[in-house]
Amino acid sequence: GNSVTQMEGPVTLSEEAFLTINCTYTATGYPSLFWYVQYPGEGLQLLLKATKADDKGSNKGFEATYRKETTSFHLEKGSVQVSDSAVYFCALSDTGGFKTIFGAGTRLFVKA
Amino acid sequence: EAGVAQSPRYKIIEKRQSVAFWCNPISGHATLYWYQQILGQGPKLLIQFQNNGVVDDSQLPKDRFSAERLKGVDSTLKIQPAKLEDSAVYLCASSFMGQRNEKLFFGSGTQLSVL
Repeated sequence: GNSVTQMEGPVTLSEEAFLTINCTYTATGYPSLFWYVQYPGEGLQLLLKATKADDKGSNKGFEATYRKETTSFHLEKGSVQVSDSAVYFCALSDTGGFKTIFGAGTRLFVKA
Repeated sequence: EAGVAQSPRYKIIEKRQSVAFWCNPISGHATLYWYQQILGQGPKLLIQFQNNGVVDDSQLPKDRFSAERLKGVDSTLKIQPAKLEDSAVYLCASSFMGQRNEKLFFGSGTQLSVL
């Protein structure tokens, strides 16, 4: 069945460091891919998305490119801030019943 | 725009008791989802409604869990009887039409502890 695998955390970085959180997926057809973020004390919210191969989603300095050849959707940010500390979830929406499936989440800590 | 509303925020029960959670989605959203998020894991879809019909309930433990969405608006998820392994955050989400490229809007969740 469809699944999402993302790198285990926690990831701890210093402010202004480069961030990569790896995400790979298994799916039939052409799913849409998403990154959701959960800030401390808040609900899950969409960070960015990409709906077809080679699309790049971007928001708040974060980027991710839909790579069908490697079935990946890695999240990157060039310079993280303390306010980026959160849990990041990679997700896919399949082409069958449009069910959204989430990865296990990666917790990011950014130190000042 | 009002967000997805859930209640209660927290619930503590003994095993074998019953519990119910309520969700009111964003106005006009046809699709409603219930997810279970166990500590340290990603959300797992329990049931998906399109208006008041069930689209997917393949991962809903139907011997103890039930859900309904009367009139295609708000929804209730019930557990009876609860087990220790049901301790989790129960998230409700909604989307406009439930299409592949739509984002989900999440509520704050109900944190359930089963003792």
